[in-house]
Amino acid sequence: DQQVKQNSPSLSVQEGRISILNCDYTNSMFDYFLWYKKYPAEGPTFLISISSIKDKNEDGRFTVFLNKSAKHLSLHIVPSQPGDSAVYFCAASDPWRNNNDMRFGAGTRLTVKP
Amino acid sequence: NAGVTQTPKFQVLKTGQSMTLQCAQDMNHEYMSWYRQDPGMGLRLIHYSVGAGITDQGEVPNGYNVSRSTTEDFPLRLLSAAPSQTSVYFCASSTTSGSSNFGPGTRLLVL
Repeated sequence: DQQVKQNSPSLSVQEGRISILNCDYTNSMFDYFLWYKKYPAEGPTFLISISSIKDKNEDGRFTVFLNKSAKHLSLHIVPSQPGDSAVYFCAASDPWRNNNDMRFGAGTRLTVKP
Repeated sequence: NAGVTQTPKFQVLKTGQSMTLQCAQDMNHEYMSWYRQDPGMGLRLIHYSVGAGITDQGEVPNGYNVSRSTTEDFPLRLLSAAPSQTSVYFCASSTTSGSSNFGPGTRLLVL
């Protein structure tokens, strides 16, 4: 069963506009959430994270929002740049069980058009 | 700092062959793990290690073995390759904080 779901396989936005990537999860024990970015032929790189005690975390152009009651998180990129074009993975872990056992979504391919 | 390195980058195997995917990290991280990435499935955890001498199974461990004799190295062994093991394999390391550093991946094709 896929405990972390990214229902949009792809997203295309214009340079300078906002990109919103969504992620839903089913396991209420997940307590820590991460976004990774992946370019072709490279490994994923960590982008931003949020723990369940927060509902928002911001790092420059990237903001992650967490809605625990809806089991939903989103990544906002403002403004979007062509270099942001990549596959974005949402991941979640249950630190009380095993901090190292991250469950990943299937990814969303973001294309930012100049 | 090389970070997390993986060899080989690409490998073709015949069904039934065995091989070892190498992974090394130079950041002195306690945690190391192996993931496989398949289309439409995201990354799935195969095995992980919380320190030298300690390993455990992840979400999809069948057909794979691991060992952790040193902090730096975490090889993944395929004992008898099957076409279902065609995938891209990523090794990762992390501290207790949770975010992982991933290697560049090994693309494996089993014929």
